[in-house]
Amino acid sequence: EVQLVESGGGLIQPGGSLRLSCAASGFTVSRNYMSWVRQAPGKGLEWVSVIYSDGSTYYADSVKGRFTISRDNSKSTLYLHINSLRAEDTAVYYCVKVGGGPINWNFDYWGQGTLVTVSS
Amino acid sequence: DIQMTQSPSSLSASVGDRVTITCRASQSISSYLNWYQQKPGKAPKLLIYAASSLQSGVPSRFSGSGSGTDFTLTINSLQPEDFATYYCQQSYNTRSTFGQGTRLEIK
Repeated sequence: EVQLVESGGGLIQPGGSLRLSCAASGFTVSRNYMSWVRQAPGKGLEWVSVIYSDGSTYYADSVKGRFTISRDNSKSTLYLHINSLRAEDTAVYYCVKVGGGPINWNFDYWGQGTLVTVSS
Repeated sequence: DIQMTQSPSSLSASVGDRVTITCRASQSISSYLNWYQQKPGKAPKLLIYAASSLQSGVPSRFSGSGSGTDFTLTINSLQPEDFATYYCQQSYNTRSTFGQGTRLEIK
């Protein structure tokens, strides 16, 4: 059974840094594309970042240069390193497994989410 | 970025009704379109992928259609558990985008 469990969220001051973790089980992280999607309170879904099985990474323009996605294959864990936090980064961050093939892919499994609140 | 626009933004319907939600892309995305359902306080759930393929375990009253720029999600015979928010998402390019969501409420 596929499971994704996020951790690391919390209250952080503007300009601060944070590392979100996502412990994966039921599949091999290194062989799959993995992504982060966020949702601000009361708002819609926003794709944040993806890491491909070959290690390539891509980011939304809103987070490029501040966020870094990575993974530890030995721990089956996905990470999102967040720097220079802004109030607009306040959101629930979901860890997502990418399904389908490299073409016509989808977000087939989601974690429960971890809340990041940026406030002084 | 490809913009995804859903309509309506909200919708009221009754149990047993048939409802249709529309999603329009700002450019052609072939059939690279997925639909998700999200209930309050929960993570989204994949319903339809590749525009018209039903995800395993999803009831057959859900269906999707369309290609190019215009897509629809149809729910036949609404059930109480179907009242939720629905999102479309394009997977045409790496930097994915979602529609703004359609909130389906009980009339």
